[in-house]
Amino acid sequence: DIVMTQSPDSLAVSLGERATINCKSSQTVLYSSNDQNNLAWYQQKPGQPPKLLIYWASTRESGVPDRFSGSGSGTDFTLTISSLQAEDVALYYCLQYSSPHTWTFGQGTKVEIK
Amino acid sequence: QVLLVQSGSEVKKPGASVKVSCKTSGYTFSIYGISWVRQAPGQGLEWMGWISGYNGSTNYAQKFQGRVTMTTDTFTNTAYMELRSLRSEDTAVYYCARDHWESPFGGVWGQGTTVTVSS
Repeated sequence: DIVMTQSPDSLAVSLGERATINCKSSQTVLYSSNDQNNLAWYQQKPGQPPKLLIYWASTRESGVPDRFSGSGSGTDFTLTISSLQAEDVALYYCLQYSSPHTWTFGQGTKVEIK
Repeated sequence: QVLLVQSGSEVKKPGASVKVSCKTSGYTFSIYGISWVRQAPGQGLEWMGWISGYNGSTNYAQKFQGRVTMTTDTFTNTAYMELRSLRSEDTAVYYCARDHWESPFGGVWGQGTTVTVSS
């Protein structure tokens, strides 16, 4: 089974500063069938369902502020919040998709204001 | 507007079953699959399985094989998740999520259903 490991488990960043979250997969998530990295990032605020931020590792979902960006390929991925805003305080999860229709989440990273 | 509206909170005794519904609207049900994800109190997200809106084919997480059944009703555009032999560890918020329009990830999510298992 694929294991997704996020780091750090939590981080505190000053308003306006950069926040970086890493996600490492135990196997490549780059699939030749679609030539895509099958990796997404979600934001979850208390009492709310997860919200899709990034898919295919680096494609920003419609309506997501451009301060959120995703990068990486193969087994190592990063979610970057370029200038942290108060409303970005949340849990962040990476999600890996593998065929047939199987998801694996990372354990989550808590982002707070320093 | 795509909407997924889930059924209300449930309280069950250990050993019982629960069936959560996810009523969809705003899109053609048969085009997209539905995944089910749960989140225990203070814990992370756990994928339970996926069901096709087209033909009802399923893929369950190994952890839940034999204990979960996912179904769809194409007349009411509703997906269901039934979990049997409940134990206290099944206390969680259960979410349904529709496949994203361009990728196999969850693009639109239900509001969540709290299931509490307690004697």
